[in-house]
Amino acid sequence: GAGVSQSPSNKVTEKGKDVELRCDPISGHTALYWYRQSLGQGLEFLIYFQGNSAPDKSGLPSDRFSAERTGGSVSTLTIQRTQQEDSAVYLCASRYLPHGKEETQYFGPGTRLLVL
Amino acid sequence: GDSVTQMEGPVTLSEEAFLTINCTYTATGYPSLFWYVQYPGEGLQLLLKATKADDKGSNKGFEATYRKETTSFHLEKGSVQVSDSAVYFCALRSTSGTYKYIFGTGTRLKVLA
Repeated sequence: GAGVSQSPSNKVTEKGKDVELRCDPISGHTALYWYRQSLGQGLEFLIYFQGNSAPDKSGLPSDRFSAERTGGSVSTLTIQRTQQEDSAVYLCASRYLPHGKEETQYFGPGTRLLVL
Repeated sequence: GDSVTQMEGPVTLSEEAFLTINCTYTATGYPSLFWYVQYPGEGLQLLLKATKADDKGSNKGFEATYRKETTSFHLEKGSVQVSDSAVYFCALRSTSGTYKYIFGTGTRLKVLA
């Protein structure tokens, strides 16, 4: 596709339920990032995938959060046993890394998660 | 660890006013620095970047200079327009470990006609 896409665009769930958020990066982009944007907060780094390397999970706030990237393309962020403080906009970004360094991240529109 | 601090908003200006949004960083080595913008109802997009000291990034009339001595990357525009109303994020790409990006908390700019 032309850009990074995310689904669903909005998700309302009840506390304690699991949710899955999907990200389709730009075709050919080898790097993929997940961020969380809470009201009044900046972008909080969650996890980073780069090719076949082990992901950088240093930003995941708890073991309720996990993410995978299948086939080096689509990624799914899973939040188990959701809590109200998980309510935020979850953003995905991808980046192309050729032999040199390409700095630009391209962001998706985000998934707005509301936990009741 | 690496961090980014930017001025809190909201910033409210009249059209054609001069804009400065301050951004300072803490990092080891020489990080790349960025400004991203989020227009109402839209996703984040890169506004400008600088990859080494004394570089000036520019785009759409906005400028920012990578100042290593003051660890700053302040965003400026000489004459803002109503269409510049948005949230602006300063960010750095870490040079240690993975290609991780650290973002500031964002500064909301409102330009009045």
